Order: sequence, then C-alpha cells, then structure tokens
Amino acid sequence: DAKTTQPPSMDCAEGRAANLPCNHSTISGNEYVYWYRQIHSQGPQYIIHGLKNNETNEMASLIITEDRKSSTLILPHATLRDTAVYYCIVDRNSGNTPLVFGKGTRLSVIA
Amino acid sequence: GAVVSQHPSRVICKSGTSVKIECRSLDFQATTMFWYRQFPKKSLMLMATSNEGSKATYEQGVEKDKFLINHASLTLSTLTVTSAHPEDSSFYICSASIGGGNIQYFGAGTRLSVL
Repeated sequence: DAKTTQPPSMDCAEGRAANLPCNHSTISGNEYVYWYRQIHSQGPQYIIHGLKNNETNEMASLIITEDRKSSTLILPHATLRDTAVYYCIVDRNSGNTPLVFGKGTRLSVIA
Repeated sequence: GAVVSQHPSRVICKSGTSVKIECRSLDFQATTMFWYRQFPKKSLMLMATSNEGSKATYEQGVEKDKFLINHASLTLSTLTVTSAHPEDSSFYICSASIGGGNIQYFGAGTRLSVL
C-alpha cells in the first residue's frame, strides 16, 4: 500500500504557483520523498526528490517539513502543459526497487 | 536525461492472440526493469520485476504463464501477453533506473485493446 496521502484533485490558474501537498506521517528515517507526474496516456515522469532539505530544480521545488511528515511540491508558474496526475512516493534511495503508486492528485491548470 | 523506449505504443488484437511489448533502455544499462499495468482512472500497479539473466519476479495475482517476461540483455526487457482476452486490455508501462539511487525512468506506455 502507498504510504502517502494526497488530495484527489486541485485546480490552479495558469501562471500562478501550484502547491501540491502530501502527507507521509509514517516515513522512515532512510526514506526519501519522490514526486512524479503522469500526463494523460503517457508514462510517469520524474520531477524531484529529497530527504529532509528543501530541493529545487528546473521543474519544481520540494518543501519538506522539519518533522518530515509532510511535503509540498511547488510548480512556480503553472502552464496548461502541467495538467497531470501528480504522485508523491516515499522510497529508499538505494538500488532498484519498484515504486508504489498511490492515487495521486489530479492537477488541472485552467486558462 | 535517461530514456526508456517502449514499443509499440498502441496495439489492437483479437482475443486469443499473443502480444509482445518491448522496453529498451537507450543510453544506459538496466539490470532490473519493472512492468506496471494501469486500468482507466486507476493508479499504476506493479506486475513484475524483470531481472537480466534470471527469472522475473511476479506480484501476487499476476499469472507468470500469461505474462511472459524476458530480460535477455542489459538494455531490453520484453513482456508477452499470451492468449490475450478482453480483460487484459490495459495500459502497460515499463521502467528502469540507472542505479546509485532510485529515480525511475518510464516508457511511454503501451495501450493494449483486445477485441
């Protein structure tokens, strides 16, 4: 079973920041928080991951609370192409292990 | 970034036929690949773990004789749906990681429709 909880859906206006929350209250000390997204009828795409520090890359920022029980993925300037299902996954960052997908959050970016 | 190529993207077949789906890691070697299945409006469910040079590991409830997996090289894993039936119609997706961490790279998926 997935170890994360996410809202089923969210809307965001184009050009505004999209903030997607995730709860992972049972996360272990050696588990990372990963974010992927799946655009309709495509394979999932890796976005970002982190352990305890905030992370930023060209796609998004990841804010992890100090107690690591929740995190927020931030898309700073959402575009229509960011409409997708976003999955928050906790996983050990070692070796080849399959990902356990929850239901994710369906983000709709609205013009 | 790393690329995983999956082929075909779409296949329509008659009931009782077999369908082969290929998953290739284009610019890296993958000793392990994963196969997922996704039904409409549902999340991805792991079917099996494909290991280069050895037998695949199947998840509970996935028939190994129906979903044949071959991982004969470090860049290619194949999933063959044998004697496909309409209930096998689904979106099949493969993934692989480069190693050193667990960032997974996914294929574009194969939509199988069995008539």
